[in-house]
Amino acid sequence: QKEVEQDPGPLSVPEGAIVSLNCTYSNSAFQYFMWYRQYSRKGPELLMYTYSSGNKEDGRFTAQVDKSSKYISLFIRDSQPSDSATYLCAMSAWGNDMRFGAGTRLTVKP
Amino acid sequence: DTAVSQTPKYLVTQMGNDKSIKCEQNLGHDTMYWYKQDSKKFLKIMFSYNNKELIINETVPNRFSPKSPDKAHLNLHINSLELGDSAVYFCASSLQRTGGNTEAFFGQGTRLTVV
Repeated sequence: QKEVEQDPGPLSVPEGAIVSLNCTYSNSAFQYFMWYRQYSRKGPELLMYTYSSGNKEDGRFTAQVDKSSKYISLFIRDSQPSDSATYLCAMSAWGNDMRFGAGTRLTVKP
Repeated sequence: DTAVSQTPKYLVTQMGNDKSIKCEQNLGHDTMYWYKQDSKKFLKIMFSYNNKELIINETVPNRFSPKSPDKAHLNLHINSLELGDSAVYFCASSLQRTGGNTEAFFGQGTRLTVV
């Protein structure tokens, strides 16, 4: 079993839809949870970061962490074509040992 | 001003060759990484250096050898290249912070194709 599981998709939604992206993990030592966005032929860039359980909101993006279920989510409201990218969840136990999910490829159609 | 820069951006080479990828960061970060991203977009950590000291060394073939001449540079040398080494290699850097996560900044990637 991989440490971090993420459905690779692809996921296609119409513009304006709410997008839900999810990851599960097996290592209970993980306490830092991140979502990275990667555009085609570019490096990943940090989108959201959450420490331990709880929710965090930033504009149209909301990150949720449920440590009891070992489950994290990223919600994108009012999705835009510019949100089309691969979204990678990442998590770490002590700060710098990030482990990534496989990435979900999202397409938002105008 | 590029924060994390890798060279070359593209590398096509024959099996059996030895090649190097260079990485430099101008962010003043303490920690640098090499990640490998396969064709299915799975990003896997290979090495992590903190202030020139190796702190993470995942199970990679010993044909891969990282070298950190100073904390702003982390190069990756690959001996006897194999077809399976074809992937995109990303360099990244972050601040070292014990007990606290910091953002990792990634380079644009080096697309290695072994033929």
